[in-house]
Amino acid sequence: AQKVTQAQTEISVVEKEDVTLDCVYETRDTTYYLFWYKQPPSGELVFLIRRNSFDEQNEISGRYSWNFQKSTSSFNFTITASQVVDSAVYFCALSEPQETSGSRLTFGEGTQLTVNP
Amino acid sequence: EPEVTQTPSHQVTQMGQEVILRCVPISNHLYFYWYRQILGQKVEFLVSFYNNEISEKSEIFDDQFSVERPDGSNFTLKIRSTKLEDSAMYFCASRGWTFYEQYFGPGTRLTVT
Repeated sequence: AQKVTQAQTEISVVEKEDVTLDCVYETRDTTYYLFWYKQPPSGELVFLIRRNSFDEQNEISGRYSWNFQKSTSSFNFTITASQVVDSAVYFCALSEPQETSGSRLTFGEGTQLTVNP
Repeated sequence: EPEVTQTPSHQVTQMGQEVILRCVPISNHLYFYWYRQILGQKVEFLVSFYNNEISEKSEIFDDQFSVERPDGSNFTLKIRSTKLEDSAMYFCASRGWTFYEQYFGPGTRLTVT
């Protein structure tokens, strides 16, 4: 069974601080995908990134970076120089791709990030 | 940029009534999903749909729920007899063949009174 744990329920930072959101996952599959989604106060779910289990290269996109470590089953997300607009709930999710089953997403509980001016 | 759309944005219904939530997935996508999010909680998988049939469903998706793709564009979720605990945000999502990220619609907030 697949499981995603986001131990940080809420994080509050001051603008321009760096912040890291933790994600730990469990899966029995050797092939899987990890995702981060952002849910701003307006409620929609915005896709941020996908990582494959066979590609442990870290990724940077502007102020966002992701650290994938298979050895610790973690896929952490760092926002550098945070801004007020980064305030949202961030969800980590896992998918075990199956040809016939549709590859459901299993979400973590989410981390509420508040960036104060 | 193509996006998933959902209607209505908010639906209020009385307990025991049937509701149909509608979604238009991204046009060249092949896999379709429904998820729900009870207020303040995590997003939970309900059902996936591929090749005109359900490919997977969760334990939440009981006999009160059904999905349909009545034409080439719409994807619907029907709840036959709503209960108070069905109150939640319902998200539709779709994905293409090659990549595994799912793109979500803006959601329908269902309130059962």
